[in-house]
Amino acid sequence: SAVISQKPSRDICQRGTSLTIQCQVDSQVTMMFWYRQQPGQSLTLIATANQGSEATYESGFVIDKFPISRPNLTFSTLTVSNMSPEDSSIYLCSVRTGLNSNQPQHFGDGTRLSIL
Amino acid sequence: GQQLNQSPQSMFIQEGEDVSMNCTSSSIFNTWLWYKQDPGEGPVLLIALYKAGELTSNGRLTAQFGITRKDSFLNISASIPSDVGIYFCAGPTSGTYKYIFGTGTRLKVLA
Repeated sequence: SAVISQKPSRDICQRGTSLTIQCQVDSQVTMMFWYRQQPGQSLTLIATANQGSEATYESGFVIDKFPISRPNLTFSTLTVSNMSPEDSSIYLCSVRTGLNSNQPQHFGDGTRLSIL
Repeated sequence: GQQLNQSPQSMFIQEGEDVSMNCTSSSIFNTWLWYKQDPGEGPVLLIALYKAGELTSNGRLTAQFGITRKDSFLNISASIPSDVGIYFCAGPTSGTYKYIFGTGTRLKVLA
């Protein structure tokens, strides 16, 4: 499966600031996704990162708060804007390599974000 | 919306014991995935199931796609300390390509 690298692996940020998380894949992938995992919780899909166009956001997530870029088939960024303590979570990049919509997804190791 | 409920929520077992956990949905799924998440890492895919009644093994792990297509089961035989972690089921929401994840089963193994 594809090797997925996320940077940074963790960060501690001040309230009101923004942080951009990078996701780099070692091969071209058809789909890229961003998930949030709040402490002790399951994974929640934030958005699907679309190459060359605006991301598709899930209910409860908006572009102004979580702008996403995907300039090519191997790279995406997620920005967490105007952070508050409620944004303290693990943010996970996930990719799907096949064309079939039921192909399994693989994950990076996540970015652990703490907001003071 | 669709939800995936996992049971049990957590379990403590002795090393060497077998483990069983399940995942249930309020609607039909045509794919079931099982992941394991170790502390400080992302989820790792264990087993993928694509057909009702399918039984698939990966080493000491065996997963089954329920006949009703609304549930799936994961068994771990002869547990070892490195089996510790959180196990998630996942499946595509109806009519979409997007996966939702279950509530998770937290496994702890006592040596």
